[in-house]
Amino acid sequence: DGGITQSPKYLFRKEGQNVTLSCEQNLNHDAMYWYRQDPGQGLRLIYYSQIVNDFQKGDIAEGYSVSREKKESFPLTVTSAQKNPTAFYLCASRGVPSDTQYFGPGTRLTVL
Amino acid sequence: QQQVKQSPQSLIVQKGGISIINCAYENTAFDYFPWYQQFPGKGPALLIAIRPDVSEKKEGRFTISFNKSAKQFSLHIMDSQPGDSATYFCAASKVSTGSARQLTFGSGTQLTVLP
Repeated sequence: DGGITQSPKYLFRKEGQNVTLSCEQNLNHDAMYWYRQDPGQGLRLIYYSQIVNDFQKGDIAEGYSVSREKKESFPLTVTSAQKNPTAFYLCASRGVPSDTQYFGPGTRLTVL
Repeated sequence: QQQVKQSPQSLIVQKGGISIINCAYENTAFDYFPWYQQFPGKGPALLIAIRPDVSEKKEGRFTISFNKSAKQFSLHIMDSQPGDSATYFCAASKVSTGSARQLTFGSGTQLTVLP
């Protein structure tokens, strides 16, 4: 199956802990994105990457970090510096030069 | 200039009716306007998209109307069905630094279609 996978589906974190969310795609897409979704709100861009070993901050990058060591993988780390990390996190990818972003199924992070 | 404003926040229609969701933007550099459908607990899925060189695009029961001069676009769902009940997001995209493309999303419309 071709597509985007995110794991885990649900994640619980204690305050002060860093956690890493996985995003893998087998679509051979160059560009990958991380979004945060809060209840009743639209999606907000955290980080994006156009190519391997390069990534850019989005609108709400504070408290998050990413890496892009492989084309198919774009993990997101939610650090203890993120003050309100409880949210639904969505990963997306885009095959350049297409304009369309395709989304994964999401990871729901809850801070206990 | 980066905002996309979406209305209404929620919408209830009867089965067979027409659902209309509206979006407005300010940045004239936007050149790609997709609509996404999202079911609870799932990722958004692309529904239909339009570019500003056309005024309307239709795919099945879904139609986008685009008014470039007014900087507005809307989604029409004809013959709405209970299975259409979901949250709908409009978005706008432009090329930014290094040919990167970023989507700016509206705040979403929760559609409920009554049987």
